[in-house]
Amino acid sequence: EADIYQTPRYLVIGTGKKITLECSQTMGHDKMYWYQQDPGMELHLIHYSYGVNSTEKGDLSSESTVSRIRTEHFPLTLESARPSHTSQYLCASSGGSLGSSYEQYFGPGTRLTVT
Amino acid sequence: QQQVKQSPQSLIVQKGGISIINCAYENTAFDYFPWYQQFPGKGPALLIAIRPDVSEKKEGRFTISFNKSAKQFSLHIMDSQPGDSATYFCAASKGGGSNYKLTFGKGTLLTVNP
Repeated sequence: EADIYQTPRYLVIGTGKKITLECSQTMGHDKMYWYQQDPGMELHLIHYSYGVNSTEKGDLSSESTVSRIRTEHFPLTLESARPSHTSQYLCASSGGSLGSSYEQYFGPGTRLTVT
Repeated sequence: QQQVKQSPQSLIVQKGGISIINCAYENTAFDYFPWYQQFPGKGPALLIAIRPDVSEKKEGRFTISFNKSAKQFSLHIMDSQPGDSATYFCAASKGGGSNYKLTFGKGTLLTVNP
């Protein structure tokens, strides 16, 4: 079973607030990803990282930023939340010395609502 | 341009029936094709995956059929159960170097009636 954690699971916040969504994995995976998903819709890659101090923007443009200071931790930050940021954010990881780089394992997601 | 096209958008099957979901891709560099299952309020879970050097892979009631020349692959769920009711996503990726990014289809909402 994949051990990838996301907090908070649900967040309702007002416009203009700064938020950080946490993602941690205990599988030793070197690759980590953030996806954005509207309910029942496809997943869009917004950020990815292939290792510590490595971050890249994904296929879907996002105003969020990420950092990768530790292998197991990949937080996502929104400096000023807006209603258009309302969505579900999913973190995933893969690779490492014991895993396949192809097989991505997902966390439970954070459902963000910006009022 | 959508690189992975999935159909149908929704599917209703009776218990014990066969569920079939289809996907087509455009990028011939893709070399890994997984299927994910997602229940409401949960993250997607890797269900089964195939590489292009085989035409079929079976795991329990789940089978992937792969047609490289047609650039298509499909998920077959045999003896479908109400517990299989979920959204299914096909995806594709290419490996090597700094790749391994997944491109997802739009998803299929499967409902299995008891």
